[in-house]
Amino acid sequence: DQQVKQNSPSLSVQEGRISILNCDYTNSMFDYFLWYKKYPAEGPTFLISISSIKDKNEDGRFTVFLNKSAKHLSLHIVPSQPGDSAVYFCAASPFGNEKLTFGTGTRLTIIP
Amino acid sequence: KAGVTQTPRYLIKTRGQQVTLSCSPISGHRSVSWYQQTPGQGLQFLFEYFSETQRNKGNFPGRFSGRQFSNSRSEMNVSTLELGDSALYLCASSANGVGSYNEQFFGPGTRLTVL
Repeated sequence: DQQVKQNSPSLSVQEGRISILNCDYTNSMFDYFLWYKKYPAEGPTFLISISSIKDKNEDGRFTVFLNKSAKHLSLHIVPSQPGDSAVYFCAASPFGNEKLTFGTGTRLTIIP
Repeated sequence: KAGVTQTPRYLIKTRGQQVTLSCSPISGHRSVSWYQQTPGQGLQFLFEYFSETQRNKGNFPGRFSGRQFSNSRSEMNVSTLELGDSALYLCASSANGVGSYNEQFFGPGTRLTVL
């Protein structure tokens, strides 16, 4: 039972344009959501997070949007840069619980 | 601040052997979690330790175990290794403030190959 889903295995975006990565979840107990970036054979790097009391959180070029009614979140990267090419994972957990449930990842390729 | 460190970075073992992996969390972080990443199953939660106690556990067999020391360093052990245990094992730490949301920060991982 995949509780966190990233339905796009891959995404290609032109440098300078907006990258939008999507994530859906099914477990109503999830109320904290995180995005990680990962290169092969390395650990995930934390990018940005959002709690269920918010619907938007920004940090530099990264913005995460949360739609609780649709159980959907998205990560926007503006403008996209070649160094953004990596696999992006969304993850979710209930409040106060360190157990993260990860999506399957989306490979983002930024085309120069 | 130094990040999460894991040792060793690479390991090759044969079926039936056991292995111990080590993780040092970010200074001041009290929660340590372990994850397994495989191509087929993705990133899956193994267990979490806080103040030397296992607080959460994923759906893995009893061959997978762990512990945490008083300095928050953690080890995980896999006994009777199987071919399917070949994976990248990731450790993550968080500050785990009471009543707050805590980001988890990951180490570089230990690549385990079982032959």
